[in-house]
Amino acid sequence: NAGVTQTPKFQVLKTGQSMTLQCAQDMNHNSMYWYRQDPGMGLRLIYYSASEGTTDKGEVPNGYNVSRLNKREFSLRLESAAPSQTSVYFCASSPQSQPQHFGDGTRLSIL
Amino acid sequence: AQSVAQPEDQVNVAEGNPLTVKCTYSVSGNPYLFWYVQYPNRGLQFLLKYITGDNLVKGSYGFEAEFNKSQTSFHLKKPSALVSDSALYFCAVRDLYSSASKIIFGSGTRLSIRP
Repeated sequence: NAGVTQTPKFQVLKTGQSMTLQCAQDMNHNSMYWYRQDPGMGLRLIYYSASEGTTDKGEVPNGYNVSRLNKREFSLRLESAAPSQTSVYFCASSPQSQPQHFGDGTRLSIL
Repeated sequence: AQSVAQPEDQVNVAEGNPLTVKCTYSVSGNPYLFWYVQYPNRGLQFLLKYITGDNLVKGSYGFEAEFNKSQTSFHLKKPSALVSDSALYFCAVRDLYSSASKIIFGSGTRLSIRP
């Protein structure tokens, strides 16, 4: 059972570089989410997609963009990476009513 | 506004003893409450949820949680701790009738079970 798959698992970037974090789910869920996890701060929502073709900003969207490519895939893009974006990024999906299913995360360091 | 608090950064328990991880919340309407567990280098895994009904909710791995409306609490409990229960635990809440995206996570409590 794959569940939610995130790639890559680790990445190191230089300030100003761009990259896209990939996420795919095989549970036929409508809703997908991108969170960042920082020590002592729990999870903070970056962007949310309630269904294919729709996206909404979360608590901390600045510096990020997203694409809901189809029902399975939801990508997160950093256009110009900054050290403040060093974090662990989690993708999640859920049916209409939660709970959410999480991927294993992407550990991103920006130098 | 919604909020959730986990007042303890760390909880230490001896194996075989009962454990409690505390969570208090604030929502404007009816609460929809969750507990998740996170093992090292893994994503969050769902343990249990409360929507309505019985105040004692049973979940995965022998965990249960007690909903207390008057104290606005949803504490996670287990009668007998295992070393394998050592992990990071998150409480989460949203208003039952709000968007799924409005879920708020606590800052997490690290549970350490000593042999």
